[in-house]
Amino acid sequence: QKEVEQNSGPLSVPEGAIASLNCTYSDRVSQSFFWYRQYSGKSPELIMSIYSNGDKEDGRFTAQLNKASQYVSLLIRDSQPSDSATYLCAVTPRYNFNKFYFGSGTKLNVKP
Amino acid sequence: GAGVSQTPSNKVTEKGKYVELRCDPISGHTALYWYRQSLGQGPEFLIYFQGTGAADDSGLPNDRFFAVRPEGSVSTLKIQRTERGDSAVYLCASSLDGTGTDTQYFGPGTRLTVL
Repeated sequence: QKEVEQNSGPLSVPEGAIASLNCTYSDRVSQSFFWYRQYSGKSPELIMSIYSNGDKEDGRFTAQLNKASQYVSLLIRDSQPSDSATYLCAVTPRYNFNKFYFGSGTKLNVKP
Repeated sequence: GAGVSQTPSNKVTEKGKYVELRCDPISGHTALYWYRQSLGQGPEFLIYFQGTGAADDSGLPNDRFFAVRPEGSVSTLKIQRTERGDSAVYLCASSLDGTGTDTQYFGPGTRLTVL
C-alpha cells in the first residue's frame, strides 16, 4: 500500500466552479500535510499546509484534514483556467517530519 | 531574491557512466532535500541534509547513489554506473531550517536520460 493515495484524474470542472481534490494516507500517526501545485514541465510549489483537524482557508483555497479517517482534501473555489495543473498531496510521518511522502497527483483541468 | 538553482537542466548519458547533478539552495537555508520524479508520479524522497550532514539518506535506492554538501550550501548528487531506470527528473529543494513546517522551495530540476 502506498503511503499517500490520490486519484490521478483528470478532474475537469468549468470555470467558476468548485474543484475538490482528495488524498488518503496510510500512516495513522502522520504529522503534517501539504498541498503542492505542479504545472506541466515545472517544479512543485506549495499552496497550503495543514497540521490539525478541521479546515484551513487561504484565499480561494481551503484545506480540510480528518485524521480519524486519514483523509485530507483541497477545495478550490471560483476555479480559473490558470488553476489547471497537477495537485500533489504530501505527508510527513511523526517520527521524521523532514521525510515527505508525495502522492502521484491529481490532474485538474478548468475549462473556460 | 534568487531561488533554488540546479545544473545542468538536462543531462543525457550512456548506461554505465557516472553523473553529477548540482543544487544551489536559497542563501541562508540550512535544510536541503533531493527528490526523484518519474513521469506521472509524485516526487520520491532521496536524501535530506541539515547543514553539512546527511540527516536522512533512507531514500537513496542503492549504493550507486551518493550525495554531499561539504560546506552546508551547494549539494551534489552523484550516480555511479547509471542504469536506464535512473532516468527521471531530479529535484532539489531547500527550506530555512528544516523544522518540517517551513516551506520547501523546489528548484527547476535536472532531467536525466540514460540511454
